[in-house]
Amino acid sequence: GIQVEQSPPDLILQEGANSTLRCNFSDSVNNLQWFHQNPWGQLINLFYIPSGTKQNGRLSATTVATERYSLLYISSSQTTDSGVYFCAGHITGGGNKLTFGTGTQLKVEL
Amino acid sequence: KAGVTQTPRYLIKTRGQQVTLSCSPISGHRSVSWYQQTPGQGLQFLFEYFSETQRNKGNFPGRFSGRQFSNSRSEMNVSTLELGDSALYLCASSFVERDTQYFGPGTRLTVL
Repeated sequence: GIQVEQSPPDLILQEGANSTLRCNFSDSVNNLQWFHQNPWGQLINLFYIPSGTKQNGRLSATTVATERYSLLYISSSQTTDSGVYFCAGHITGGGNKLTFGTGTQLKVEL
Repeated sequence: KAGVTQTPRYLIKTRGQQVTLSCSPISGHRSVSWYQQTPGQGLQFLFEYFSETQRNKGNFPGRFSGRQFSNSRSEMNVSTLELGDSALYLCASSFVERDTQYFGPGTRLTVL
């Protein structure tokens, strides 16, 4: 079954708006990570967040491992925030293999 | 510290040919993983190498293979290319297992 699920699949924002991206993951998934894929295809690490809350500038993330979800908050969005946001996690017994969600495509417009 | 590097960045091949992609991990990282990204299948795990040994393999045919050298650099090879192999191939490195993975810029392969 689906082990990592993201919502919404697409999001369009006006510059300056805030947004929340959600990642639900199954019991077999842990060590949640968030990535941003830029238009050139590179995956940029945002957060390694197995549990708790972290903040980095305008971005913050919260993982509630007991309820199997993680949230990525983007505040005061900028056009450079556009791209695809992925969450991913390790599968129990799967070694270093990351299982990815299907991503949230974000477009920030002027 | 330099990031993960991948070469070449772009590649165009024809069906039936083979291709070799290269990945240099972050200095000190001994784990290298490879992923394939396509619009239809998303990001899928190919394999992982640690200290020159393949530790984990995804669900891909035997045409996909890889290796890791003593300096942790890794190569992946795809033989008898098919149109469906057109994809972005991403390499990632990490210091230890189940730690943060850092990705390279990718190699975009087009098979004609």
